Amino acid sequence: DSGVTQTPKHLITATGQRVTLRCSPRSGDLSVYWYQQSLDQGLQFLIQYYNGEERAKGNILERFSAQQFPDLHSELNLSSLELGDSALYFCASSPRRGGATTEAFFGQGTRLTVV
Amino acid sequence: QQQVKQSPQSLIVQKGGISIINCAYENTAFDYFPWYQQFPGKGPALLIAIRPDVSEKKEGRFTISFNKSAKQFSLHIMDSQPGDSATYFCAASMLKGGADGLTFGKGTHLIIQP
Repeated sequence: DSGVTQTPKHLITATGQRVTLRCSPRSGDLSVYWYQQSLDQGLQFLIQYYNGEERAKGNILERFSAQQFPDLHSELNLSSLELGDSALYFCASSPRRGGATTEAFFGQGTRLTVV
Repeated sequence: QQQVKQSPQSLIVQKGGISIINCAYENTAFDYFPWYQQFPGKGPALLIAIRPDVSEKKEGRFTISFNKSAKQFSLHIMDSQPGDSATYFCAASMLKGGADGLTFGKGTHLIIQP
């Protein structure tokens, strides 16, 4: 158990809908990252938050957004869903934004199916 | 643009053999190179990582070899065991500046035959 909790584990929704994925990082970790894993694209970095502020953006679509709350949990919002958004979405956390080590601990993921 | 290229896509090794997975990167600003192991239904877990100031790092049966001039790094699993069967991902990131999201390779599906 990595200590990173993601909910829900599975989500099935229709095209055009909006969903929210939730992540609770390990206790004390200030950085939260979101990744998307699909068969064709592999594991892709979407966005990073550090202590409530957006730190870096990767291949995140404009239809997607995220935020990190004062208690450090994070939410990933996916809107106007398309079939191609079906994927595993992982949250990861790490103790700090940089330095000598930056081990990222991954949650078990949310499997999103868009039908 | 794929910044981290990983090969092979799949690999079958006999128990007790050496498993070798290779990665190449393009962005010379990368300064942190981890390997992650993923079992079905689980999230990736850090296996071993290296910084570019060393050429090799060993932890138990796992060794990373790093060639900065060639922009390549590899994972060697010695005495491979059936429990090592998993998908392995190389990755790279930039620790400086604090924006350290990981860029992953496409993954290698490793099967260790008993």
